[in-house]
Amino acid sequence: QLQLQESGPGLVKPSETLSLTCTVSGGSISSGSYYWGWIRQPPGKGLEWIGNIYYSGSTYYNPSLKSRVTVSVDTSKNQFSLKLSSVTAADTAVYYCARLPLELPFDYWGQGTLVTVSS
Amino acid sequence: DIQMTQSPSTLSASVGDRVTITCRASQSISSWLAWYQQKQGKAPKLLIYKASSLESGVPSRFSGSGSGTEFTLTISSLQPDDFATYYCQQYNSFPYTFGQGTKLEIK
Repeated sequence: QLQLQESGPGLVKPSETLSLTCTVSGGSISSGSYYWGWIRQPPGKGLEWIGNIYYSGSTYYNPSLKSRVTVSVDTSKNQFSLKLSSVTAADTAVYYCARLPLELPFDYWGQGTLVTVSS
Repeated sequence: DIQMTQSPSTLSASVGDRVTITCRASQSISSWLAWYQQKQGKAPKLLIYKASSLESGVPSRFSGSGSGTEFTLTISSLQPDDFATYYCQQYNSFPYTFGQGTKLEIK
């Protein structure tokens, strides 16, 4: 059974960089059949797509965040990561990682991790 | 960006009711639409993909229809486990976008 697990600091100071890792178990991140993505959800609000990555390193980012976002993959560890720079309180959210089959929507999600931006 | 608009934002219904949630896209997305169910404190769960295809393991009381710009999610007979928030999402083009959500409440 595929599982995804987000990890990283739950508290980040304003202007600093948010860093999260998603560890995939029960399947290989190097499968050519999937992208891997990040989605976030501010408390009490809706879902926002952040970006996707393919095992080869090809990325797609939300233009609203593109200048601050980097998604990377480490196939040797079966992990992919998110970095979001220059964070503000508006970046406080639950961050989810998820699997994205080719030409299909997100089918497996991590449990999510709350990141609070505060001094 | 393609804007996704759901209606209603909140829906009150009773166990056994048939309910329909609508999702409209600001431009045609063919059938590249998904529906998710999200319960409080949990990750979204995929229910429907390609507008009308039922994800494996999802009860058959859930169904989706539509193409182009107008889509619906129907629950044929509400069960207690169905009270949650539902989101549509287009994956026709980047950036992927979600509807604002429909909260399904117990009447």
